[in-house]
Amino acid sequence: EVQLVQSGGGFVQPGGSLRVSCVGSGFTFSSYWMHWVRQTPGEGLVWVARVNSDGSDATYADSVKGRFTISRDNVKNTVYLQMNSLRPEDTAFYYCARGVSMFDYWGQGALVTVSS
Amino acid sequence: DIQMTQSPSSLSASVGDRVTITCRASQSISNHLIWYQQRPGKGPRFLIYDASSLYSGVPSRFSGGGSGTDFTLTISSLQPEDFATYYCQQSYTTPETFGQGTRVDI
Repeated sequence: EVQLVQSGGGFVQPGGSLRVSCVGSGFTFSSYWMHWVRQTPGEGLVWVARVNSDGSDATYADSVKGRFTISRDNVKNTVYLQMNSLRPEDTAFYYCARGVSMFDYWGQGALVTVSS
Repeated sequence: DIQMTQSPSSLSASVGDRVTITCRASQSISNHLIWYQQRPGKGPRFLIYDASSLYSGVPSRFSGGGSGTDFTLTISSLQPEDFATYYCQQSYTTPETFGQGTRVDI
């Protein structure tokens, strides 16, 4: 069974940093691109970042470029989202998802709250 | 970025009803349209890809159609487990963008 299990998230002050993680199981993790998508009541679902299967290439939404870094460890079957210089508008549920441009499996989500 | 607009934003229906949700793209996306279902507290569930192809394990009461800019998701006979929020997403170009969602209530 394909599973994506997330950890991390939490409360951080503006300007702070946080890392969320996502462990994949039940599939050949190193064969798949991985993404982060965030969700808020106001904006809905918004694609954040993606990394290709071997981790050599990453792409970001303009809103997070230069502040967030997506990376992966194919030995640990884990994808990461390192979030720096966090802003209140980054407050959201963050989901990892598997796929190239369509996302067939999603993690359970992790809430990131940025507030003073 | 390509804007995706869903309608209605919410609807009320009964078990057994036929329900249709529409999604419009701000420019042509050919058939690069995905539909997801999301239940409260869960990540989205992949339902339909390439506008009309049913993903493995998805009940046949779900169907998708359309091409270019206008798309539909139809549930032929609503079941209790179908009460959820539905999202469309274009997979034509980066950044992949989503509709704002359609909540289907009892």
